[in-house]
Amino acid sequence: KAGVTQTPRYLIKTRGQQVTLSCSPISGHRSVSWYQQTPGQGLQFLFEYFSETQRNKGNFPGRFSGRQFSNSRSEMNVSTLELGDSALYLCASSLAGEGYTFGSGTRLTVV
Amino acid sequence: AQSVAQPEDQVNVAEGNPLTVKCTYSVSGNPYLFWYVQYPNRGLQFLLKYITGDNLVKGSYGFEAEFNKSQTSFHLKKPSALVSDSALYFCAVRDLISGGYNKLIFGAGTRLAVHP
Repeated sequence: KAGVTQTPRYLIKTRGQQVTLSCSPISGHRSVSWYQQTPGQGLQFLFEYFSETQRNKGNFPGRFSGRQFSNSRSEMNVSTLELGDSALYLCASSLAGEGYTFGSGTRLTVV
Repeated sequence: AQSVAQPEDQVNVAEGNPLTVKCTYSVSGNPYLFWYVQYPNRGLQFLLKYITGDNLVKGSYGFEAEFNKSQTSFHLKKPSALVSDSALYFCAVRDLISGGYNKLIFGAGTRLAVHP
């Protein structure tokens, strides 16, 4: 079966712009969670969506937001980009919280 | 709060030798523990998990991990390392306290370098 698909793989944006990243989970998985990976902070939880509802949120500013559609695909949005937002953004899909499958990630570079 | 520690930033091992990557955890209740591997510019690949049952868990690519409740450890092991095992390894625990069922807390990662 198809894995977790994240698009795009790479993005370059300018400070102040906004960006939208997409994640398509494994078919049948209703939970999608997002993580930010940076060399300094490691892997940090952003938020989790289940059946179109945000169920949990990490300690990130309000510039980071997300949503989930009825087909379980999820998007995350970062507004007013800062240089520090440069990171690898990973999403994971889960069926029942006993296994998490990650996508290949979106590498965001803010210049 | 739940937490995971990987005490070694890097582990060096010769090809063919056994390898161990260490992980300790702090949780309330029964832990759900995971190991992932990351190759450069890639996502996280699942290796193995412990939820319940046998303390020795076998996973992908010949890796295994031993759950030790008294020492709160979940060390990753492989009997014979390959150069292709060189990568970044992450230990993670599922967070239940925050109320969300699908949140993982990761260790800082351990870079494994296998030398020919």
